[in-house]
Amino acid sequence: DAKTTQPPSMDCAEGRAANLPCNHSTISGNEYVYWYRQIHSQGPQYIIHGLKNNETNEMASLIITEDRKSSTLILPHATLRDTAVYYCIAGNQFYFGTGTSLTVIP
Amino acid sequence: GAVVSQHPSWVICKSGTSVKIECRSLDFQATTMFWYRQFPKQSLMLMATSNEGSKATYEQGVEKDKFLINHASLTLSTLTVTSAHPEDSSFYICSARDTGVTEAFFGQGTRLTVV
Repeated sequence: DAKTTQPPSMDCAEGRAANLPCNHSTISGNEYVYWYRQIHSQGPQYIIHGLKNNETNEMASLIITEDRKSSTLILPHATLRDTAVYYCIAGNQFYFGTGTSLTVIP
Repeated sequence: GAVVSQHPSWVICKSGTSVKIECRSLDFQATTMFWYRQFPKQSLMLMATSNEGSKATYEQGVEKDKFLINHASLTLSTLTVTSAHPEDSSFYICSARDTGVTEAFFGQGTRLTVV
């Protein structure tokens, strides 16, 4: 798995888009990028994943740069319930980095 | 969606006893399972990976004789913490992945407190 680097914390106003960056410059060609989030004292929740192309589902969008060295998770309209720690994983062994603690502010 | 159920949600045990945690995939076949532990305010630390019917592969520094993992069926894996001590108190989380599926799904976690 590639090492991932994420900002330790971010704030976002309720209703606005939350853009969470992740650097994974050592990612290999066959390694996926996954995003999970963890609300306090719960197991991580799957959000989205991708290999090369941008992806969108009902929860979020994932933008992967052309060189695949970084990606951005976009929550289009953040709500208070999106407050959580967001983890970016680059690889297929599911090693977790330190994540980004996102706080959505009313 | 894919559901992974962990049991129990929390457990308190006496020092020196063993505790078993179950992880079940409810609506898919868990050909690969992952076990993690998480200390307060820290990230998840991968302990071991297991494939159904095979011995688990433990991460460096994780004692395989202390943390026994069994993955004998496609829907069930167990983690047994043997001779538990207070320093084993932690949040234990499992996840499961099906063959041909890239993403893994997580259980709700088990809070272990050893007194």
